[in-house]
Amino acid sequence: IAGITQAPTSQILAAGRRMTLRCTQDMRHNAMYWYRQDLGLGLRLIHYSNTAGTTGKGEVPDGYSVSRANTDDFPLTLASAVPSQTSVYFCASSEQGFGGELFFGEGSRLTVL
Amino acid sequence: AQSVSQHNHHVILSEAASLELGCNYSYGGTVNLFWYVQYPGQHLQLLLKYFSGDPLVKGIKGFEAEFIKSKFSFNLRKPSVQWSDTAEYFCAVNAGANNLFFGTGTRLTVIP
Repeated sequence: IAGITQAPTSQILAAGRRMTLRCTQDMRHNAMYWYRQDLGLGLRLIHYSNTAGTTGKGEVPDGYSVSRANTDDFPLTLASAVPSQTSVYFCASSEQGFGGELFFGEGSRLTVL
Repeated sequence: AQSVSQHNHHVILSEAASLELGCNYSYGGTVNLFWYVQYPGQHLQLLLKYFSGDPLVKGIKGFEAEFIKSKFSFNLRKPSVQWSDTAEYFCAVNAGANNLFFGTGTRLTVIP
């Protein structure tokens, strides 16, 4: 089934460690996004990419970086994890950018100790 | 600050009851409006959307939402809920080229 694949699904990480969350889509959507979901705060945009080779900052980009080397992959890197980055991370893609329907992955639950 | 507000944090209903979940936003100008649903253990999926035209939009599973521009609202409704509607519901607003802001979500619990 076509869609968004995220890995890992769950990870426990020591503070200070580097972590990359992987995201791959097979729908050939131009736009991709990373959101974090926290209780009581809903979903907040971390970074986005409107097309391969370009990226942009969302609401909460600090401590995170992304790259978009090709259409299908959009990894999210935490250079030095901190406990406040404990969250569920969702990758999404869209054919029409922010104004269109977003297709979400299953999420990656990250715990930073 | 611009925002998307969902005032109901947790709603508990019996099956067959009617549902209305509130969503208000504070962005001026043209907006695109969405409701997403997250069933337990699943990823978010689109329930319905409004871009333009008829302010009453219908989505999947019998849901509908009404855009009232003067009230900056996009409330979600369903005449008769089912146990399978138990989920978390998120309102989202696109108000420019590079943003899609989500509300904090409303958890709906339907009691059989």
